[in-house]
Amino acid sequence: AQSVTQPDIHITVSEGASLELRCNYSYGATPYLFWYVQSPGQGLQLLLKYFSGDTLVQGIKGFEAEFKRSQSSFNLRKPSVHWSDAAEYFCAVGASEFGNEKLTFGTGTRLTIIP
Amino acid sequence: KAGVTQTPRYLIKTRGQQVTLSCSPISGHRSVSWYQQTPGQGLQFLFEYFSETQRNKGNFPGRFSGRQFSNSRSEMNVSTLELGDSALYLCASSPDGNTIYFGEGSWLTVV
Repeated sequence: AQSVTQPDIHITVSEGASLELRCNYSYGATPYLFWYVQSPGQGLQLLLKYFSGDTLVQGIKGFEAEFKRSQSSFNLRKPSVHWSDAAEYFCAVGASEFGNEKLTFGTGTRLTIIP
Repeated sequence: KAGVTQTPRYLIKTRGQQVTLSCSPISGHRSVSWYQQTPGQGLQFLFEYFSETQRNKGNFPGRFSGRQFSNSRSEMNVSTLELGDSALYLCASSPDGNTIYFGEGSWLTVV
């Protein structure tokens, strides 16, 4: 069975500083990996995804993530955060048996931005 | 293109009642899945439908059920509501089985 670990429950970053959110996964086959963002009271918005190919993937809002198979990681990065990036971020792995409709999520990392 | 639409957005029910939540997927998407989000358990997969057939199911009791109609719209039903069913219920749709797009969710409070 697949699992996802997001070791940081809460991260605080100054506006303009760089950001890295950690994600480690466990999955027997080649994983399909996703990062979603959730603003308070809202649903989940897809930031980026990795299926295969280039291990550095670009997403929306200036985010990128790097897949490292040897470390079972898929960390999310942004070179300079904006106050509007404050939200909760979820890493997820897809079960490719039937496609990826069944996602397993991490527990999330809440990002706070200070001026 | 309109996103995934869920109704109602907010509702309050009493223990023992039943509730039906509705989801309209993005046009052209045939797969619809449902997730429950709670502070304690996080995001958990409920079930997934494709062409009116349930293809995948999570570890929830039989009180949780769903269905999909021929136009891909989906409903989920929870019977005999318990306080612990209070949650954000998220619907998602997918065009290709690889990328999943979520709606804004239905907030259910059970009192």
